[in-house]
This record gives sequence, structure tokens and C-alpha cells, in this order.
Amino acid sequence: DTEVTQTPKHLVMGMTNKKSLKCEQHMGHRAMYWYKQKAKKPPELMFVYSYEKLSINESVPSRFSPECPNSSLLNLHLHALQPEDSALYLCASSQALIALLYEQYFGPGTRLTVT
Amino acid sequence: SQQGEEDPQALSIQEGENATMNCSYKTSINNLQWYRQNSGRGLVHLILIRSNEREKHSGRLRVTLDTSKKSSSLLITASRAADTASYFCATAFSQTGANSKLTFGKGITLSVRP
Repeated sequence: DTEVTQTPKHLVMGMTNKKSLKCEQHMGHRAMYWYKQKAKKPPELMFVYSYEKLSINESVPSRFSPECPNSSLLNLHLHALQPEDSALYLCASSQALIALLYEQYFGPGTRLTVT
Repeated sequence: SQQGEEDPQALSIQEGENATMNCSYKTSINNLQWYRQNSGRGLVHLILIRSNEREKHSGRLRVTLDTSKKSSSLLITASRAADTASYFCATAFSQTGANSKLTFGKGITLSVRP
């Protein structure tokens, strides 16, 4: 199974809502990533988890809160978002983080709209 | 920044023709990767080429890497309409393994006309 799944596919939320994005992989990968992608732009790294520990936080605002409950799951908790946070949120995984010798497998993304 | 820069930004070709896309970067790398993204979807990994490699093939794809010029090219031979997508190069570098990350270029939009 070389699939990364993400739920939901689409999410519309108000600025006062709390919601969560979920990501799952069953490839035994030990590194997992959250990216944000605006239209016609490249993905921007947000967070990296390695062996279930937060390894990289790219100075992401605290209204985004990542969580890695176990080696297969990655969540992104959203609270008090702004309209400019509307984007495609991509989850990815790779075999390991060390020197990034490995390719990343991406999920289909969650299209988030903040109203 | 070691962000890759692809060239051209947009490419339109006829089905059956070859498509060549270039990527330049600024700093040392451990590897360079190419990804494809269909509109509004996730990215699909195409090829990873390590810094000590010069050329790799995968099916209709050929990637070259010239570390002296800090550049890479992706060649898609005998293009098909299904190759229509955005293509990104991404560079990976880490001296220690800690805080390793992938940095994506701006992307190339490839349109293959039937």
C-alpha cells in the first residue's frame, strides 16, 4: 500500500471554528509532513515529524497546531483561521528524514476555505 | 535560499513531441527530485537523483544533474495528453540529517495538445 490518505477532501470553516485535518499512511514511514499550497504556487513546508516527534516548525502561526498520535497518523488542528489561510493542505510521508535520501509520498490534499 | 527555479514557466507542445524542463538551484544538495501535480491534486514523485549521479531514467523520463552548473533537466519523451500537469523540481540538503527539508521550485506548467 503506497497511499497517503487525507480527510476531509474539502472543508469550509468560519473564522471562529475549530476543525482538524487528518492524514494516514500505512507504509511504515517514519517521517510525515504538512505543506500549504496556494493556487499556482509551490508547496510550502509547515511542519515535519520524525519518529512521532516534531522536528521542524517553519514559524507557522499558532492557529495551526500539528499532532502525531502514532507513526501512521498526522493531524492538523485549526483554530481561529483567517481568510488568507484558505489553501490546499497537503500531507506527505517518507521512509525517513535523514538527509532526505527518500522520496515523499503525497496525499490528495484538503481544500480549505475560510469564510 | 536554495529554492529551485524551473525554466520555462510554461510549455505547450503537441502530443508525441518531447518536453524538456530545466531547474537551477543555488546551494549544495544531497539530492534533487522531480514531482508532477495534476490540477488541484497531490504531488506524485517522478525521479530522485542523488548529487553523485549524473543521469537517471524511468520509463519515458530522463533526468540529468550537473552539480557544477547547479542545474537539472527533466526530459519527457513522446509526450501524451495525460502528461499535462505542473512539474516541480525540489532540492534536499542537510549536513547532519537534522532539520532536513525539501525546497520546491516555482513549477512549470506543461500543456500537451492532442
